[in-house]
Amino acid sequence: AQSVTQLDSQVPVFEEAPVELRCNYSSSVSVYLFWYVQYPNQGLQLLLKYLSGSTLVESINGFEAEFNKSQTSFHLRKPSVHISDTAEYFCAVSEKVGNKLVFGAGTILRVKS
Amino acid sequence: KAGVTQTPRYLIKTRGQQVTLSCSPISGHRSVSWYQQTPGQGLQFLFEYFSETQRNKGNFPGRFSGRQFSNSRSEMNVSTLELGDSALYLCASSRGQGGQETQYFGPGTRLLVL
Repeated sequence: AQSVTQLDSQVPVFEEAPVELRCNYSSSVSVYLFWYVQYPNQGLQLLLKYLSGSTLVESINGFEAEFNKSQTSFHLRKPSVHISDTAEYFCAVSEKVGNKLVFGAGTILRVKS
Repeated sequence: KAGVTQTPRYLIKTRGQQVTLSCSPISGHRSVSWYQQTPGQGLQFLFEYFSETQRNKGNFPGRFSGRQFSNSRSEMNVSTLELGDSALYLCASSRGQGGQETQYFGPGTRLLVL
């Protein structure tokens, strides 16, 4: 069985400041790792995913996440946030077979002007 | 390409009733998964269907059931509703069944049980 821990329930940050949203996972098998974002009253959208290869993955809107196997972590970072990044962010894992995503509890990112 | 659509978007039911939610996946996608989202329990996997067969099931009671049709559209049914079933129900579709597949989520159906 897998589990995902998002260490911060809320992260307030000023606009143009850097941010890191932390995610740790536990699994007895190899997994794929994902970050999803949920804007108010909407479904989830994929931000980025790690399948294999380079441990640093990037999204098109400036977010990046680094897979650290030894620390079983997949932290999400952005060097400079915008007001529009205000949303809830979910870290998730999936086994290599099947489509079952196991989600963390979510981190609400609040960007203040 | 149209995204995942879910109907209805909002629903109010009373305890003991049953409800059916519908999900239309992205064209060409054959896998449909369902999730329940609540403030207390977060996002929890309900079940996954691929080619009209349930491939995976989460830890929910038998009151929660689903099916998938030949056109990949899916429905989930909750019988004998309880107050705790109030939640946002999200449907996600993907092209195939591997864990590496990106799941595309619909906007959800918000169910309120009174």
